Amino acid sequence: AQTVTQSQPEMSVQEAETVTLSCTYDTSENNYYLFWYKQPPSRQMILVIRQEAYKQQNATENRFSVNFQKAAKSFSLKISDSQLGDTAMYFCAFMKLSTGTASKLTFGTGTRLQVTL
Amino acid sequence: DGGITQSPKYLFRKEGQNVTLSCEQNLNHDAMYWYRQDPGQGLRLIYYSQIVNDFQKGDIAEGYSVSREKKESFPLTVTSAQKNPTAFYLCASSISGGAPLHFGNGTRLTVT
Repeated sequence: AQTVTQSQPEMSVQEAETVTLSCTYDTSENNYYLFWYKQPPSRQMILVIRQEAYKQQNATENRFSVNFQKAAKSFSLKISDSQLGDTAMYFCAFMKLSTGTASKLTFGTGTRLQVTL
Repeated sequence: DGGITQSPKYLFRKEGQNVTLSCEQNLNHDAMYWYRQDPGQGLRLIYYSQIVNDFQKGDIAEGYSVSREKKESFPLTVTSAQKNPTAFYLCASSISGGAPLHFGNGTRLTVT
């Protein structure tokens, strides 16, 4: 079974600064996908970024980028120029591709990020 | 606009009663999922389904049941056998393997 570990329960960053959230995972699969989701106080789950394991290039979405280290099974999220609206719970998630059934998404326990003035 | 609708937003039940949470999507997605969220535990998978009339147990299926009679609908029943039913429940859907999941706004269930 796949496991996803987020070792930082809470983090804080000042507005306009950069912060990195850590995520490691355990799998014997070679082909999979990794995701970061954001859950603001509204509790709506919002996709932040997606990484395909077969792609060496790190995914980037505006101020959000990842550092994907496949051999180390590490998938960290970097938020640049942090904004107050980035305050949320951030979840790292792993998806193993399945044939014949839906692909399961396994989540870490989350990192609560507080952006301060 | 396409999306996933979960209803109701808040649900209250007495212990020993079964309760059904609704999830409807108009995204034409094949796969649908139910997750449970508790403080400090992230999201845990209850059931998932790839096609109509077919579904699989997730990691914490005990005390829950689902049906998939229509592509658009995937209701979750929390039975009286579920020992700790009070939680936040999220429904999601996906177009295919590898695609991100789209989530509904969730249902907060409180059982007393």
